[in-house]
Amino acid sequence: RKEVEQDPGPFNVPEGATVAFNCTYSNSASQSFFWYRQDCRKEPKLLMSVYSSGNEDGRFTAQLNRASQYISLLIRDSKLSDSATYLCVVNQPGTYKYIFGTGTRLKVLA
Amino acid sequence: DTEVTQTPKHLVMGMTNKKSLKCEQHMGHRAMYWYKQKAKKPPELMFVYSYEKLSINESVPSRFSPECPNSSLLNLHLHALQPEDSALYLCASSQGSRLATDTQYFGPGTRLTVL
Repeated sequence: RKEVEQDPGPFNVPEGATVAFNCTYSNSASQSFFWYRQDCRKEPKLLMSVYSSGNEDGRFTAQLNRASQYISLLIRDSKLSDSATYLCVVNQPGTYKYIFGTGTRLKVLA
Repeated sequence: DTEVTQTPKHLVMGMTNKKSLKCEQHMGHRAMYWYKQKAKKPPELMFVYSYEKLSINESVPSRFSPECPNSSLLNLHLHALQPEDSALYLCASSQGSRLATDTQYFGPGTRLTVL
């Protein structure tokens, strides 16, 4: 089993739709979880850190489910500009290693 | 300010050339990272420096040689590269605490082409 797994997509959704991505992780001791957004040929940009209580930033909501070992990202009212690859990242506890999922491609259609 | 800068933005080199990639941050971060990213793949960790000492080398070939001259600077020296080394090279930094809140910030990358 991979340490961090994501559905690669692509997810093609119409503008205004709500879309959700999940990411599973294998190390139950993991404490740090992040969602990054990466546009084509650009660097990953931090979208959200994921906290135990869940967190929201505008149209974006991240949740952590420790029992089932997954994190989720919900995007409401999708915009064309949300089209990107969304990378799930999990830190290996006590190390400087950040494990990346394969990324989920989102395309928002007009 | 969460800025990490990298130079050059683009680099084309022959297999016999020697070149260097540079990365700089002024956030007071004490961990700095080099990643390699191929198209449609996630970033792959190459090296980590923490407190200016090499902490992690992910079995990277010796034609890639990292250097951390001080806490703000990270270099990657390239020599005798192969065409398959063509990729986007990303630098990142984090506080270096290894706590749950330690978050990585990426530079814009150097797009390397080896002819």
